[in-house]
Order: sequence, then structure tokens, then C-alpha cells
Amino acid sequence: KQEVTQIPAALSVPEGENLVLNCSFTDSAIYNLQWFRQDPGKGLTSLLLIQSSQREQTSGRLNASLDKSSGRSTLYIAASQPGDSATYLCAVRGETSGSRLTFGEGTQLTVNP
Amino acid sequence: EAGVAQSPRYKIIEKRQSVAFWCNPISGHATLYWYQQILGQGPKLLIQFQNNGVVDDSQLPKDRFSAERLKGVDSTLKIQPAKLEDSAVYLCASSRMTGGIYEQYFGPGTRLTVT
Repeated sequence: KQEVTQIPAALSVPEGENLVLNCSFTDSAIYNLQWFRQDPGKGLTSLLLIQSSQREQTSGRLNASLDKSSGRSTLYIAASQPGDSATYLCAVRGETSGSRLTFGEGTQLTVNP
Repeated sequence: EAGVAQSPRYKIIEKRQSVAFWCNPISGHATLYWYQQILGQGPKLLIQFQNNGVVDDSQLPKDRFSAERLKGVDSTLKIQPAKLEDSAVYLCASSRMTGGIYEQYFGPGTRLTVT
């Protein structure tokens, strides 16, 4: 059974700081990994999707890396802004689980002005 | 393109009552998912439809939860009777396969409080 863990559970940083969020998964047989953002009271917004054959994906100030063999992914946020404050969720799609996503519990990020 | 729509956004009921949630997926998306997200946790898949057929309902508490997707478009999730532990956000998502990738798009969710 796939298990996804995110560390840290919460993070508070001053504006402008570069930061890294971590995600680990127990079964390396995955099709892809996605990072989502969730604002309070809102649904999930997809940030980046990395296929199992890829090492990283970039979108603006966000960079996600994937090390499939070690079961790890990181989300790097450069020059953080107060608007980045949200919960960040990592999810994997397993090779034997159809299109089902297994989520971590998320990292709650607060960027202080 | 319009996103995934859900209603109601909020619902408060007493335990043992019944409740229903509605989802309208993105046009053309054949796959529809219902997730339960308990406060402080990641979403957990309850049920997955491909068109109007159930693909995965292994984590659906079938003694009290039911879902249907008539005509392969809109879907309804029902809880009857509700328990205190059903308090959560219920998220609907839809996807279609593009280039071998299923990218899921989520609605805003329905926040259920059972008292």
C-alpha cells in the first residue's frame, strides 16, 4: 500500500526566503507525481506534474524534482511572497492504481511580510 | 473553460440525518472522482467513475455512502445516515487522459459539519 509523507507539517518563513518542501513515498512504482496548492476554504490547484521518466519540472518561481528510485520529491520555492501562503500537497499516481492519486498530509506554509 | 462545479459549498446537519452533494465536471472529462478530506489530512479517494461506471469504490463506506453518475456527466454523493466522523470537506475532481497523463482538476469542495 502506497504511503506518502510530507515534511515539515508546517513552515513559517520571512518574505524573500528560498524554501524547500519535502515529499516521500513508499512504493517507487509510480506513473507521476503532482504538487498541489490548497488555499483555505478552496479546492486544490495543480502546480506541477512530473512524469516518472522526468527529473524535474519548473513553473515560474517553482521547481519540483523527482528521485523515483529513492521515493522522494522536493518542491523548491524561490523568493517567497506572502501570497505563497497556503497548504502544499504532494500526490502520486501508482502504476497499479489506475488514475487514483494518493496524497500526503500537506505542508502548511506561512510567508510573513 | 469552466472548472469543476460543486454545491452546496457548506452544509451543517445533525447526526443520523442524510445529505447529498452535487458535482458537475469539466465538459468532456470522462473520469470523475469523489475525495474526502478530513481537517489536517490529505484527500482520500472515495469513489472513481469512468463515464457512468464505477472504477474504484474500495474506500467507500458502502453501508452509509452512495454515489451515482447518471448519463456520465453530473454526479451525486449521498450520506445516510451521517455520523460525527463524516465531518470533512468533500472534493470532486475530473480528468481526461491526454498523452498518457490523467491530470485531475478539483472543484472548491463542500464543507460538511455533522453535529
